[in-house]
Amino acid sequence: DAMVIQNPRYQVTQFGKPVTLSCSQTLNHNVMYWYQQKSSQAPKLLFHYYDKDFNNEADTPDNFQSRRPNTSFCFLDIRSPGLGDAAMYLCATSSHGRADNEKLFFGSGTQLSVL
Amino acid sequence: GESVGLHLPTLSVQEGDNSIINCAYSNSASDYFIWYKQESGKGPQFIIDIRSNMDKRQGQRVTVLLNKTVKHLSLQIAATQPGDSAVYFCAETNSGTYKYIFGTGTRLKVLA
Repeated sequence: DAMVIQNPRYQVTQFGKPVTLSCSQTLNHNVMYWYQQKSSQAPKLLFHYYDKDFNNEADTPDNFQSRRPNTSFCFLDIRSPGLGDAAMYLCATSSHGRADNEKLFFGSGTQLSVL
Repeated sequence: GESVGLHLPTLSVQEGDNSIINCAYSNSASDYFIWYKQESGKGPQFIIDIRSNMDKRQGQRVTVLLNKTVKHLSLQIAATQPGDSAVYFCAETNSGTYKYIFGTGTRLKVLA
């Protein structure tokens, strides 16, 4: 089945140690998103790619970076994780301009712990 | 009844009753709205959507109502089942921006 796949499901890192989270999609959607979700809170948009165009949210810390080497893959890099970065990180995709289907499709998320 | 928890308001309903979950959205320019269901430890799952040129849309056991005048969205779940227990989020977007902003969310607890 076409889907959004996030790896790993759980990630543990040390304070200050760089970590990369991965997302892939088989939907051929042109937009990919990264959301941060802390416990009992709504998902918060960090950034999104429209094709190769990167769009950063104004309040996303510089500590968070993203790469989209091709349509299918998108990565979230946290350069120096702090304790406050422990959260669920959700990748999502959507299709704009290509089909009458703009809804967000989410992966299962990566739960990041920072020790 | 409805109560406010640490972060998420909670709605408790008896199994078989109807549930109504509300959402106030922020941007009057938003023209597309989605309701998501999120179970513990999982990503949000699409339930139903509605565009701003409509005020009501029905799915299987779910109905979404949109009131643009007061920027209010609601999700009605008929004959609520234990499997409906989850956190429900509304999301809004202006189609030209491709950005989806999520509301606070409501935790639905179904009582047997």
